[in-house]
Order: sequence, then C-alpha cells, then structure tokens
Amino acid sequence: GAGVSQSPSNKVTEKGKDVELRCDPISGHTALYWYRQSLGQGLEFLIYFQGNSAPDKSGLPSDRFSAERTGGSVSTLTIQRTQQEDSAVYLCASSSSRTPGNTEAFFGQGTRLTVV
Amino acid sequence: SQQGEEDPQALSIQEGENATMNCSYKTSINNLQWYRQNSGRGLVHLILIRSNEREKHSGRLRVTLDTSKKSSSLLITASRAADTASYFCATGLDDKIIFGKGTRLHILP
Repeated sequence: GAGVSQSPSNKVTEKGKDVELRCDPISGHTALYWYRQSLGQGLEFLIYFQGNSAPDKSGLPSDRFSAERTGGSVSTLTIQRTQQEDSAVYLCASSSSRTPGNTEAFFGQGTRLTVV
Repeated sequence: SQQGEEDPQALSIQEGENATMNCSYKTSINNLQWYRQNSGRGLVHLILIRSNEREKHSGRLRVTLDTSKKSSSLLITASRAADTASYFCATGLDDKIIFGKGTRLHILP
C-alpha cells in the first residue's frame, strides 16, 4: 500500500479480554516499530523489528504484551487480559533504514484502544 | 526510557509570530529528527538533521543542532493556524527510535 495501515482504527474491549492490533507497513520497509501513546503524553517505545533479526522487546510493559511480524511484513500486537491502564493509542511505524533514526519513519494513524 | 525532552511542554502564540521549541537529549547521536502530530494520531516527519550539521532549513522550518550541548531547536516562522499540533524530537538510540514528550503548540487567531 501507499502508507502504513493499522487496523482497527478504534477498539473498545472489556477488561480481561484479549485484543489484537494489526500493522501493515510500507512494502519493502525492513524496520517496524510499535509505540504506545497515552492521552496527552509522548510516545512510549514498545517493540522494534528489523528484518529477520530477533526483535527488540525491551519496551513491552508486561508479559501480557507480545508482538510478531510474519514474513517480514505484517505485524500483530497482542494484549492479553486487558486492563484499563492499557487504554491508549497504539502507533505503528516503518522505515527503510537498517539504522534507527537514519531515515524518516512513516507512521500509521494508530489504533485507539479503550478498555472498559 | 526518554531520550529527548522538549521544552516548553506547551506554547501559545499569535498567528504570524515565530515559534521556537527546544529538545535536549542524553547520549551521542547520528542524527536527530522532528515530527508533527495532529489530533493525537499518526506522526508526520518534518526534518532530519545529521550530527555533522549545525543548521538546516525546510520552508518555514529551521532546525539547529548543538552536539556539544546535546540540544536542538525547531523554529517555525510566520506561524499559521494549521501549525497547531504537537511537535516531537526523535533520536536513534540502541536500535530504537526514541521520542521526547513533545511540545503542544497552539496558534491563536
């Protein structure tokens, strides 16, 4: 596609349910990032994929969070047993660079997750 | 972890005035980027400045970088209502792109 696509745009879920958020990066981009942004806050790094290398999971806040990237393209962020504090906008970005920060990162429009 | 810290956190100016936002970071960098975010959704890349550059221009944007002070500034000249947004600096660090907390800019009519 022309840009980074995220789905769904909005997700309302009940506390304790599992959710899956999808990111479809720009074709050919080797780097893929997930960030979380709470209301009025900055971007909190969650996880980084680069090609076939092992992902950098250092930003995942708990073991309820996991992510995978199949075939070096589409990524899914899964949150198990959702809690109210998981409510936030989840942003995905992709980049063509193998060195983070060396080139522009392209962002999707995010998924707004609300846990009720 | 937060690599960049923007200052001020919020800024309101009259349309037509210049807006200056600052970013400080903690470690050595290869380059620094500035992004804009409208309405709390996706970020848009504005400009990238490399560590061996001191100043860069793009339209009404002017970015400076002082690696000795580990700081950068973003100047928006002749501000417009459409410039109302949050602005973030970002640096590449330890295989990640780390963003600051942002400056919320509000252009008053």
